[in-house]
Amino acid sequence: EPEVTQTPSHQVTQMGQEVILRCVPISNHLYFYWYRQILGQKVEFLVSFYNNEISEKSEIFDDQFSVERPDGSNFTLKIRSTKLEDSAMYFCASRKAGVNEQFFGPGTRLTVL
Amino acid sequence: AQKITQTQPGMFVQEKEAVTLDCTYDTSDPSYGLFWYKQPSSGEMIFLIYQGSYDQQNATEGRYSLNFQKARKSANLVISASQLGDSAMYFCAMREEENFNKFYFGSGTKLNVKP
Repeated sequence: EPEVTQTPSHQVTQMGQEVILRCVPISNHLYFYWYRQILGQKVEFLVSFYNNEISEKSEIFDDQFSVERPDGSNFTLKIRSTKLEDSAMYFCASRKAGVNEQFFGPGTRLTVL
Repeated sequence: AQKITQTQPGMFVQEKEAVTLDCTYDTSDPSYGLFWYKQPSSGEMIFLIYQGSYDQQNATEGRYSLNFQKARKSANLVISASQLGDSAMYFCAMREEENFNKFYFGSGTKLNVKP
């Protein structure tokens, strides 16, 4: 069964460094999402992406964040200058057109030191 | 105001019994969708059930059903015949037609199923 994949599973970085989190959505899906979940807290929507552009974004998704679909299969989230409070699990999800269900990837745990 | 409120941080249920997890929502959009997700201790997010605001019937998926009370703005998840494997965090979520690709999640309920 097709699934969303994310790499790496765990990323450790120093404060101020740039990180890129990678996702491969399910191949025939058209809508892509990034969420984050700070340990023990709720899942927070960051951004949605459709037709090669941002569809919606939350207040969290400020100028230090960007998303890209560089090659038609990968979907990346870049954090330009990481802060301690960016430490969280980051989930990618994708959805097929006309279907309500989002399929989530296994997440990337980002630790900022 | 919170878009999604889950007032039960933790719940216990005896195996084989039914349990209801509460969710209330806040929106002025007449068209919206409500979702429930399960997050086991392994961390993945698993879609359980969806209810559209215009759906006439309450959604059901196997042992999961959604008790949708539109006037009360509640969308409680009912799990029948609980199993040990149901122990997990459960999140209620919503999206509105106006911002179709933006999802709001509640703070979650941790369900523990006791043998």
